[in-house]
Amino acid sequence: QVQLVQSGAEVKKPGSSVKVSCKSSGGTFRSQTISWVRQAPGQGLEWMGRIIPVLDIANYTPKFQGRVTITADKSTSTAYMEMRSLTSDDTAVYYCAARPSNSRGDSWGQGTLVTVSS
Amino acid sequence: DVQLTQSPSPLSASVGDKVTITCRASQNINDYLAWYQQKPGMAPKLLISGASSLDSGVAPRFSGSGSGTDFTLIITSLQPEDFATYYCQQSYSSPWTFGQGTKVEIK
Repeated sequence: QVQLVQSGAEVKKPGSSVKVSCKSSGGTFRSQTISWVRQAPGQGLEWMGRIIPVLDIANYTPKFQGRVTITADKSTSTAYMEMRSLTSDDTAVYYCAARPSNSRGDSWGQGTLVTVSS
Repeated sequence: DVQLTQSPSPLSASVGDKVTITCRASQNINDYLAWYQQKPGMAPKLLISGASSLDSGVAPRFSGSGSGTDFTLIITSLQPEDFATYYCQQSYSSPWTFGQGTKVEIK
């Protein structure tokens, strides 16, 4: 069973950037699909994008294209999500989720709260 | 993008009830549909993948069915720990998308 451990909560100023990490264990990281999902306070789940580490190719929801970068370090089985030009609307819990190549469902990290406030 | 519409939202039920949640896709997604359960302050938990495959360790009172555009999650006898929000997710085409969620509340 894949287990994901995310980095800790962040407080950021408007206009700054944040980078959240997600370390995977218990599975074959290279062949997983790692997605990033966010959840604003009291709201539903919003899929942001994904990466397949063995291919090193990421794709994104159009809303986040150009402002979010998802990367993966195969040597440490860690995925990253960087978001730039933060606004208060980006205040949310950010989750990573991992899907093995033979699965159609995800295991989730514990979430990282990102608060954007002046 | 594929739109997923869940109903009802919210849903009020009692312990022991049979609960049915539906998820309708705006286009054919074959069986690339997963169901997740989320409790307050917790990460979502996978219940069902491939529309009908129960994830390891998930109670057998949960079941899923459907293919194409119409999908169903059934809880045969609602337990106190099942009061939560349920989301469907499609991974047939990018961007992957979620339904808006169905909160199962105590009647």
